[in-house]
Amino acid sequence: GIQVEQSPPDLILQEGANSTLRCNFSDSVNNLQWFHQNPWGQLINLFYIPSGTKQNGRLSATTVATERYSLLYISSSQTTDSGVYFCAVPAGGGNKLTFGTGTQLKVEL
Amino acid sequence: GAVVSQHPSRVICKSGTSVKIECRSLDFQATTMFWYRQFPKQSLMLMATSNEGSKATYEQGVEKDKFLINHASLTLSTLTVTSAHPEDSSFYICSAGGGRQGAYSNQPQHFGDGTRLSIL
Repeated sequence: GIQVEQSPPDLILQEGANSTLRCNFSDSVNNLQWFHQNPWGQLINLFYIPSGTKQNGRLSATTVATERYSLLYISSSQTTDSGVYFCAVPAGGGNKLTFGTGTQLKVEL
Repeated sequence: GAVVSQHPSRVICKSGTSVKIECRSLDFQATTMFWYRQFPKQSLMLMATSNEGSKATYEQGVEKDKFLINHASLTLSTLTVTSAHPEDSSFYICSAGGGRQGAYSNQPQHFGDGTRLSIL
């Protein structure tokens, strides 16, 4: 099946800093989602981004499907951004997802 | 937007107990829902695809007799962990897409808040 790797695995930032999270996938995909899992386990939809660039406030994402990667940008980070960030792509076609390995982000004051 | 509700949020019970978890799509109908499991410090792994009106499809290595899935209506899927043991302790989370759709309609997935299951 498709392999989805994320980097870095862990990241510690000072509040106000910017960061880039990367998601690499081993096969072509027709959609990709980014999620934020907060400390209570809730998965928050960030982006549904099969290709191109989208922005939502301090967050933006870019997917380059032909090169099999996606990037999530976090600007002016806040402590509430802490948690685990996952990308996910379709598994074997359809809507069931294969999740990436995740990036654990901690934003400190 | 599409809202998925999952209950209960937390269960603590004795070994040998069966536990039922509900997943509801509140503002849309879903012919397909998905169940995932997440162990501490790990990623989410797909367990099974819940199909309205028919049998669930299980991923390799998932015991269908241990994890019973019922999808009797277009807005409700249930996962029952039968005769649960400590190794079944995990975070279980369901997802569904927006709109009445099958498994291949390429829609963004929305997740419930998850159920943290602890078996003593």
